[in-house]
Amino acid sequence: DAGVIQSPRHEVTEMGQEVTLRCKPISGHNSLFWYRQTMMRGLELLIYFNNNVPIDDSGMPEDRFSAKMPNASFSTLKIQPSEPRDSAVYFCASSHSGTGNSPLHFGNGTRLTVT
Amino acid sequence: GENVEQHPSTLSVQEGDSAVIKCTYSDSASNYFPWYKQELGKRPQLIIDIRSNVGEKKDQRIAVTLNKTAKHFSLHITETQPEDSAVYFCAAKGWDGGSQGNLIFGKGTKLSVKP
Repeated sequence: DAGVIQSPRHEVTEMGQEVTLRCKPISGHNSLFWYRQTMMRGLELLIYFNNNVPIDDSGMPEDRFSAKMPNASFSTLKIQPSEPRDSAVYFCASSHSGTGNSPLHFGNGTRLTVT
Repeated sequence: GENVEQHPSTLSVQEGDSAVIKCTYSDSASNYFPWYKQELGKRPQLIIDIRSNVGEKKDQRIAVTLNKTAKHFSLHITETQPEDSAVYFCAAKGWDGGSQGNLIFGKGTKLSVKP
């Protein structure tokens, strides 16, 4: 099991550019979560999917942020246009949502720097 | 929605001493309470979790207690070692009215164990 795979590990871009973060969840997991981590705000849930369907996107900060999950093995988080305040570590996580609660498995994160 | 408060934000102990981190939550419907450890520059990893039908759970030097009436839960680390130094996050599983809900994290506690 390779775990949750995120790419890229690091992204440096200029303000106004489009940024796309990618995530491959653990095979068999049917829930996928995007979190943002900063020193000031800690770990914030941006959006999560259940069986590829977005369930709660209330954490998405602005319309500049969008997320998709076209199939069970791939998700993207896009920021367009990017701004310096978007600089953070973005984590993708997955779990299996059945009748009980299963642990959340995090990817290694993407460190985004917007200059 | 769920709100999780975590204290203290920083904790420094001497090697061999015990460390206690406390969290409170607001949603009485929450029923799953995991703890994550995040080492510097790495992803959060689950270290222990507890479900609402259990009051205490122990795994070697780590224990978690849950008081559903008071809506608080705590992490106890005994015989601390320098490798326990990390940021620890508590979380509670919120409920969004029909889906699997999502994890809401506390702001984290930076634990430093001095040799």
